[in-house]
Amino acid sequence: EIVMTQSPATLSVSPGERATLSCRASQSVSSNLAWYQQKPGQAPRLLIYGASTRATGIPARFSGSGSGTEFTLTISSLQSEDFAVYYCQQYNNWPPRVTFGQGTKLEIK
Amino acid sequence: QVQLVESGGGLVKPGGSLRLSCAASGFTFSDYYMSWIRQAPGKGLEWVSYISSSSSYTNYADSVKGRFTISRDNAKNSLYLQMNSLRAEDTAVYYCARAVVIKFFDYWGQGTLVTVSS
Repeated sequence: EIVMTQSPATLSVSPGERATLSCRASQSVSSNLAWYQQKPGQAPRLLIYGASTRATGIPARFSGSGSGTEFTLTISSLQSEDFAVYYCQQYNNWPPRVTFGQGTKLEIK
Repeated sequence: QVQLVESGGGLVKPGGSLRLSCAASGFTFSDYYMSWIRQAPGKGLEWVSYISSSSSYTNYADSVKGRFTISRDNAKNSLYLQMNSLRAEDTAVYYCARAVVIKFFDYWGQGTLVTVSS
C-alpha cells in the first residue's frame, strides 16, 4: 500500500499570507495526486487533480505542484474561507488502492 | 447541478448489517464510476469501495473485503453499500462520491453516519 504523509499536521497562518502544505508518497505516484479541502461538518471538496490542475470553480490562489513522491499545495493569499483541513490522495496503483494522507489543519494565526 | 444524497445510516450492534443508499441527480449516472469513502469521528478519510459504470468491476479496501458489497442500479440512479458483520471500527460517516474513472472524486454527498455499538 502506498502511504501518504502530510506535513505539518497543523499550520498557523495569518489571513493574506501564503500557505504551503506538503504531501509525500512512500513510492512514486507520478502525477496521480489530488488535493481536497474539508470544512467542519462538510464533505470534502476537490481542489486539485493531476497534481496541478485546478478543479472546476476553484480560485486561482490555489495551486499544486510536484511529481513522483513530493507534492505541494500552495494557497497564495489566504482568505477567511480557506481555513480548513486539507487532504492529499494518490490514485496511481493497480489494482486501485486509493489512499489519503492524514490531513493538514490550516488554522488562523 | 450534481447532487448525491446518502441515506440508511444509523445505530447497529456489532455483527449486525446495514444497507446504505445514495441517490444521484444532475448528471448521467450510468456514465460514471462511483465510490464509497468513510471518515471515522475526528479522523481522516478512508476509501472503502469502487464500482464501475456498468457494475462489471468492483474493488474493496482490505478492511471491508468479504463483509461489504457495493452495487448500483443505473435505472434508479442509485448506489448502494451492503454492510454485514459490522464492527466497532466501522463507525464512521460514509460518503458517496462520483469517481473520475478509478482516480479521484469530483463530487461528494453530505454523508450518512453509521454507529456500531452495543
